[in-house]
Amino acid sequence: GAGVSQSPRYKVAKRGQDVALRCDPISGHVSLFWYQQALGQGPEFLTYFQNEAQLDKSGLPSDRFFAERPEGSVSTLKIQRTQQEDSAVYLCASSPSDLYEQYFGPGTRLTVT
Amino acid sequence: DAKTTQPPSMDCAEGRAANLPCNHSTISGNEYVYWYRQIHSQGPQYIIHGLKNNETNEMASLIITEDRKSSTLILPHATLRDTAVYYCTYMDSNYQLIWGAGTKLIIKP
Repeated sequence: GAGVSQSPRYKVAKRGQDVALRCDPISGHVSLFWYQQALGQGPEFLTYFQNEAQLDKSGLPSDRFFAERPEGSVSTLKIQRTQQEDSAVYLCASSPSDLYEQYFGPGTRLTVT
Repeated sequence: DAKTTQPPSMDCAEGRAANLPCNHSTISGNEYVYWYRQIHSQGPQYIIHGLKNNETNEMASLIITEDRKSSTLILPHATLRDTAVYYCTYMDSNYQLIWGAGTKLIIKP
């Protein structure tokens, strides 16, 4: 079956531009997570949805970061006024429920120039 | 800051067992340990998880110490395709996975 997909796979943005990163979770998965992964590091939690409800956004690094999942399936992570420190791989994961293993997408590599 | 601690890199000969250690001293009694691996340019792939009993599946075995402060992932017969970065994580009470920097495992022919 289809896994988690993310688009675009690569994004280059000029400093100050807004970007939108999309995640298509596995069909029927209730939980959806966003992570940020810097080069050579493990993923860092950003935010978590259960269906359309954003239950935890404690990992979002600033108010320039915003995530939504309006119909409880596809999710979008938006970064406004991108900065160089936002350059990273952004990973999306979905899970049948909270305590199950998470299935990751391939990530979106964002480079801010 | 709660993190897991792993050796940065390890080598293993093809066909031998690869034993990857992890310290998770800040884990609480009801928090599961999860292991993932990540091959270059791909997202992390789930391997196995456990709470306090040893676990085995088709990919690996997981040994968790009695005090739950450390665990070992065992790949019984490593192949070249097992070369990857292996992450030991645990899920905290907020359903967040807590990650460290991982172990880069290189399988040598």
